[in-house]
Amino acid sequence: GAGVSQSPSNKVTEKGKDVELRCDPISGHTALYWYRQSLGQGLEFLIYFQGNSAPDKSGLPSDRFSAERTGGSVSTLTIQRTQQEDSAVYLCASSPSSGYGYTFGSGTRLTVV
Amino acid sequence: KNEVEQSPQNLTAQEGEFITINCSYSVGISALHWLQQHPGGGIVSLFMLSSGKKKHGRLIATINIQEKHSSLHITASHPRDSAVYICAVTMDSNYQLIWGAGTKLIIKP
Repeated sequence: GAGVSQSPSNKVTEKGKDVELRCDPISGHTALYWYRQSLGQGLEFLIYFQGNSAPDKSGLPSDRFSAERTGGSVSTLTIQRTQQEDSAVYLCASSPSSGYGYTFGSGTRLTVV
Repeated sequence: KNEVEQSPQNLTAQEGEFITINCSYSVGISALHWLQQHPGGGIVSLFMLSSGKKKHGRLIATINIQEKHSSLHITASHPRDSAVYICAVTMDSNYQLIWGAGTKLIIKP
């Protein structure tokens, strides 16, 4: 498609379960970011992929969070043993490089019950 | 028509000028966000607004809920303010974020 695609758009899971969130960036975009927004909060940086370089994982809040990007394209954000505080909208964005021209996905709303 | 529209798309100004970036939206929202992205950098959340006005340093953000409009102002602009400024809204129906296309700001010394 023409934009950044995230799936699912909504996910409700039970506390303690693992979840996977997917991001399909725009073809050819080398930079990919994951952010999250908790209810009533601003955006929180999670992780950044740039080409084949080692990702910047400095924003991951705990070791329950991990992300990978296969073949420099699709990225999966995995949250293990989900907690209620993980409930948020998880956003993905991609760009041709670490410069201008970011395109954002519409997010995955995760609710942990 | 995009649900979140920003203007201008590009803005070049001289150091010291007062800068205004506008954002209009057409959906019901619970919050509006202003974000900043420098070249090569991540996205920084500047403000989250649901009403009124907020100020942080040289940055001021205002929102008029009735008119569905927000403005981001930069006073005494500096070359380090050069970045892309993005307006995004949190929909009040499903908490999804809708993003504006961004405004590319260049401040010349």
